[in-house]
Amino acid sequence: QLQLQESGPGLVKPSETLSLTCTVSGDSISSSLYYWGWIRQPPGKGLEWIGNIYNSGSTYYNPSLKSRVTMSVDTSKNQFSLSLSSVTAADTAVYYCARQEDIVLPKFDCWGQGSLVTVSS
Amino acid sequence: DIQMTQSPSSLSASVGDRVTITCRTRQSISSYLNWYQHTPGKAPKLLIYAASSLQSGVPSRFSGSGSGTDFTLTISSLQPEDFATYFCQQSYNTPYTFGQGTKLEIK
Repeated sequence: QLQLQESGPGLVKPSETLSLTCTVSGDSISSSLYYWGWIRQPPGKGLEWIGNIYNSGSTYYNPSLKSRVTMSVDTSKNQFSLSLSSVTAADTAVYYCARQEDIVLPKFDCWGQGSLVTVSS
Repeated sequence: DIQMTQSPSSLSASVGDRVTITCRTRQSISSYLNWYQHTPGKAPKLLIYAASSLQSGVPSRFSGSGSGTDFTLTISSLQPEDFATYFCQQSYNTPYTFGQGTKLEIK
């Protein structure tokens, strides 16, 4: 059974870099069928797509965050990661990792439970 | 970016009721519309993809319809486990965008 699990610090100081890792179990991140993505939800607000990464390392970022986002994949550990630099309080959110399947059309068919990251000094 | 307008933002209903949630966009997205269910503390769950296709394992009381700019999610007979937040998502182009969500509460 496919499972995704986010991990990383729950508290980050302003101006520092937020780093999260998503560990995938039950499927290989090297599969050619899928992209792997990050989505976030600030408290009381809607969901925001951050970006996707393919197993080759090709990335697709939301233009609103592109200047601060870096995603990477580690196929040996079956993990993919998110880095968001120069964070502010506006980056406080629950961060989700998800698998995107593109058969028929793109859709996030499996999500992690989410990881709350608070930006505060 | 494609703006998604979802309504209502909240909804009170009873077990057994039929409920409908709407998602609208300003530009046509063909059938590139997905619906998800989110229960607090759990991972969001894909219910409907391509506007009307039921994801494997999802009960048949969930259905989706629409194309272009207007879409609906219908739950034909609410069950206790259906009280959750529902949101739509367009995958027509990037950046993918989501509706603001509909919180379905027990009346």
